[in-house]
Amino acid sequence: NAGVTQTPKFQVLKTGQSMTLQCAQDMNHNSMYWYRQDPGMGLRLIYYSASEGTTDKGEVPNGYNVSRLNKREFSLRLESAAPSQTSVYFCASSEQGTKEQFFGPGTRLTVL
Amino acid sequence: LAKTTQPISMDSYEGQEVNITCSHNNIATNDYITWYQQFPSQGPRFIIQGYKTKVTNEVASLFIPADRKSSTLSLPRVSLSDTAVYYCLVGGRQAGTALIFGKGTTLSVSS
Repeated sequence: NAGVTQTPKFQVLKTGQSMTLQCAQDMNHNSMYWYRQDPGMGLRLIYYSASEGTTDKGEVPNGYNVSRLNKREFSLRLESAAPSQTSVYFCASSEQGTKEQFFGPGTRLTVL
Repeated sequence: LAKTTQPISMDSYEGQEVNITCSHNNIATNDYITWYQQFPSQGPRFIIQGYKTKVTNEVASLFIPADRKSSTLSLPRVSLSDTAVYYCLVGGRQAGTALIFGKGTTLSVSS
């Protein structure tokens, strides 16, 4: 039981490049989330998926797109990376709504 | 979603009890109160969740007064390994509701 896994762990991009962050969970959770955390800051919600087939914007969705590929997987895409998107990205999942969320190890992204 | 206010930082010594208070004046009837802990370079980890009165688990206690406009996370006899950021979140548990993390409280435990 791996819990929540994220790939890659580290990534460096140049401004304007695109990439997809992958997230998968093996706990049969309905809800999945993407957060970003900037140095010295709390987590900010980018997008979430309450259930398979649905996605909703969070606090800071601009510059990102998401896909709930199936119940297990929830990906985050940066179409044209900008230096302001340099951050640590966390994926999380939960049974439903705001019950306990389980977090992945994070992806450290640097945009030059 | 109810807005929460908690201290930016707190200091303590090993062996002491630490109480972190969170204000949530506009908490809704169906909102729960949840606390998370985050160590550097890791994702947050669930500590405890409650609706009213007192909840206790093997890690912490959560005290919620009758008006539910605040809550207190109590960590008994802290150790150096309790140095972390602690987040207070308020929200409903119905499907489709996402939580909003604030900046949290940075707890520093010294020997």
